[in-house]
Amino acid sequence: QKEVEQNSGPLSVPEGAIASLNCTYSDRGSQSFFWYRQYSGKSPELIMFIYSNGDKEDGRFTAQLNKASQYVSLLIRDSQPSDSATYLCAPYSGNTPLVFGKGTRLSVIA
Amino acid sequence: GAVVSQHPSRVICKSGTSVKIECRSLDFQATTMFWYRQFPKQSLMLMATSNEGSKATYEQGVEKDKFLINHASLTLSTLTVTSAHPEDSSFYICSARDEKRQVFNYGYTFGSGTRLTVV
Repeated sequence: QKEVEQNSGPLSVPEGAIASLNCTYSDRGSQSFFWYRQYSGKSPELIMFIYSNGDKEDGRFTAQLNKASQYVSLLIRDSQPSDSATYLCAPYSGNTPLVFGKGTRLSVIA
Repeated sequence: GAVVSQHPSRVICKSGTSVKIECRSLDFQATTMFWYRQFPKQSLMLMATSNEGSKATYEQGVEKDKFLINHASLTLSTLTVTSAHPEDSSFYICSARDEKRQVFNYGYTFGSGTRLTVV
């Protein structure tokens, strides 16, 4: 299975700051990725899907994909305490199950 | 759209008994559903892929005789934990994708999860 690596954290940022979450992957065949957010005790919810090199923005979230360096990142601008959660990335490859990294736990301090 | 309903949300059972967890796609048909398990402070681990009308595909290390999966219709998959033991206590989550919707907008939808406690 295609694997991704994430720093488990916790990553602590002050409220209003930019949170930067990173995910590296080893399979050069991976072309697109999901970012999901999981609150403690809840199931994952979709944040963003990215398949092109470069940036994709959606509100306060920006996903970045660099296929040459094999990493995908998620930036959260103006971080809020409600953004405190675990962020999961996973490569997408057709109708196969998502295999997630360990996830990075983000803590936004008010 | 693309709603997945999972029941029960919590269940406590005695060691040695069996527990059934249901996963339903409410507004779409799912030929494939996925089952995950998550232990405290760990990531989601894929257990198996449930295929409508055929046998499930289990990940390495997952006992298929212990975790029985049935996908008898296009909207329902069930996971039965047989002869449950305390080490099976975990958070079980199902997932599916509406293949008629664009993946980059809808992604994979997850059920709300089932917290199983075996005492």
